[in-house]
Amino acid sequence: NAGVTQTPKFRILKIGQSMTLQCTQDMNHNYMYWYRQDPGMGLKLIYYSVGAGITDKGEVPNGYNVSRSTTEDFPLRLELAAPSQTSVYFCASSRTSGRYTQYFGPGTRLTVL
Amino acid sequence: TQLLEQSPQFLSIQEGENLTVYCNSSSVFSSLQWYRQEPGEGPVLLVTVVTGGEVKKLKRLTFQFGDARKDSSLHITAAQPGDTGLYLCAVSGNTPLVFGKGTRLSVIA
Repeated sequence: NAGVTQTPKFRILKIGQSMTLQCTQDMNHNYMYWYRQDPGMGLKLIYYSVGAGITDKGEVPNGYNVSRSTTEDFPLRLELAAPSQTSVYFCASSRTSGRYTQYFGPGTRLTVL
Repeated sequence: TQLLEQSPQFLSIQEGENLTVYCNSSSVFSSLQWYRQEPGEGPVLLVTVVTGGEVKKLKRLTFQFGDARKDSSLHITAAQPGDTGLYLCAVSGNTPLVFGKGTRLSVIA
């Protein structure tokens, strides 16, 4: 099992550009999540999904969109990149919610200039 | 208001020393998790505690859940350079995990 994979690993965007961060898991998990991690901060939840076709906002959803057409994939879309979106983005998955382990991908380091 | 307060924020110690880091809240939780994040990687689960007063050991790491299930501690005995990383606590109920800001530990050889 590869677990949770994310692409790209690094990206530099100009203000106003768009991009999609890819996330795939091969553990057949129902729940998937997107977090951002800023320097000196913990993880803040952007969006999450409890299954294919179902998504919900987290703590910091503004400026982002998600879709969940399959169990395996959960892409995160940035439409009009802003410097405030410079961060490290982590995708995670879990079998269900609550006390179950969340498995994280290696992260995407995004810089918006 | 931060749901989870972790302290200290930073800790730098010599190899072989002992240390304790804390995760505190004013709320009661059904379970609490500790994750470790190494530089350039995603967090990895260390332990889940679910019962008030519960103590779990993972080699040189000892985790305790407070009796009232509002706080937790992580004690490391004889720290090693491989323990270096960001230690995050997280809580959940039926909603996605909420993470603390973490304790960044550096163990110097």
